[in-house]
Amino acid sequence: GQSLEQPSEVTAVEGAIVQINCTYQTSGFYGLSWYQQHDGGAPTFLSYNALDGLEETGRFSSFLSRSDSYGYLLLQELQMKDSASYFCAVRDLSGNKLVFGAGTILRVKS
Amino acid sequence: SAVISQKPSRDICQRGTSLTIQCQVDSQVTMMFWYRQQPGQSLTLIATANQGSEATYESGFVIDKFPISRPNLTFSTLTVSNMSPEDSSIYLCSVEEPGGTGSYEQYFGPGTRLTVT
Repeated sequence: GQSLEQPSEVTAVEGAIVQINCTYQTSGFYGLSWYQQHDGGAPTFLSYNALDGLEETGRFSSFLSRSDSYGYLLLQELQMKDSASYFCAVRDLSGNKLVFGAGTILRVKS
Repeated sequence: SAVISQKPSRDICQRGTSLTIQCQVDSQVTMMFWYRQQPGQSLTLIATANQGSEATYESGFVIDKFPISRPNLTFSTLTVSNMSPEDSSIYLCSVEEPGGTGSYEQYFGPGTRLTVT
């Protein structure tokens, strides 16, 4: 089966850089995704990594190391609006559905 | 990206009753997914609904409790039957679309917040 571990909560100040880690165990690997969910809102797709390395999209970057079964989401120039829950997710063995981690609550302080 | 709407957005129901949640997508999609998210928790997949076939349920979820319909490629319903307070949760429908990097991105509806008293 699949399992993912990520920190339950991270706190950082506005303007700072924060890294949210995710380690996973899977029987097969089809890529690591990240989703953001604001309180009361729906999850929204942030990024996807299938190959090792860093993918950058504006202030957000995502990294993957398949040999370490590890990835992270990097948020730069933090803003108050970045306060949200962040979920990493992997695809299951069938490749048809996502398995989500427990989520990391990011609190951005002024 | 797909635009998804859900009805109702929230409801308060009495135990023992049933509620049907509707999910409408603005484009035709093969698979639709139904998730449950309890307060402060992650997303748990209930079932995958393909048009023209029976839904596929995840471990711990059964058709009698969560019947699903998928009459066409843009619409699905999830019924929460014989509700108990433990069914209080947010129910989300979702679809997948191919992304720009070989990925499949999931798009979620706004959710239905259900409270069972």
